Amino acid sequence: EPEVTQTPSHQVTQMGQEVILRCVPISNHLYFYWYRQILGQKVEFLVSFYNNEISEKSEIFDDQFSVERPDGSNFTLKIRSTKLEDSAMYFCASRIRAWSTDTQYFGPGTRLTVL
Amino acid sequence: QKEVEQNSGPLSVPEGAIASLNCTYSDRGSQSFFWYRQYSGKSPELIMSIYSNGDKEDGRFTAQLNKASQYVSLLIRDSQPSDSATYLCAVIEVNFGNEKLTFGTGTRLTIIP
Repeated sequence: EPEVTQTPSHQVTQMGQEVILRCVPISNHLYFYWYRQILGQKVEFLVSFYNNEISEKSEIFDDQFSVERPDGSNFTLKIRSTKLEDSAMYFCASRIRAWSTDTQYFGPGTRLTVL
Repeated sequence: QKEVEQNSGPLSVPEGAIASLNCTYSDRGSQSFFWYRQYSGKSPELIMSIYSNGDKEDGRFTAQLNKASQYVSLLIRDSQPSDSATYLCAVIEVNFGNEKLTFGTGTRLTIIP
């Protein structure tokens, strides 16, 4: 069964460093998402992406964040200058269409630890 | 900001009993509702989706939706220790044609052998 994959599973970085989290969505899916979950808190929407551009972004997704689909298969989230409060699980999700009845499938997540 | 509310628990249920999980949502226009299961340190895994008022059954799971009361529930029959997890209620939120999932904080369920 096709699945969303994410690398790395765990990323440790120093505050102020840049990180890139990578995702490979399910191959025929067209809509892509990043969510994050700070330990003990709810899953929060960061950004949605369709047709090579951002569809919607949350207040969390400030100028330090960017997304890219560089090669038609990978979907990346870049954090330019990490802060301690960026420590969280980051989940990529994809969806075949934007119909309300279509499920978003989640990847296994990347645990980002900022020291 | 649309809200999805869940009792955070923990909810403890004896093995073999029925576990009942509840969720309310603030956006009366919401049309699509999902229950995800999340084991500690893992990603959300879809358990059930429901779009129409009433009940929807899938194996040991039954989702119930009441749009008038803005209420969604999940029943787990014949609870097993492997059902111990956090259950996340999620609602599709539409903003100028763009859709995203809005999650509740989750209810931690423990099945007691």
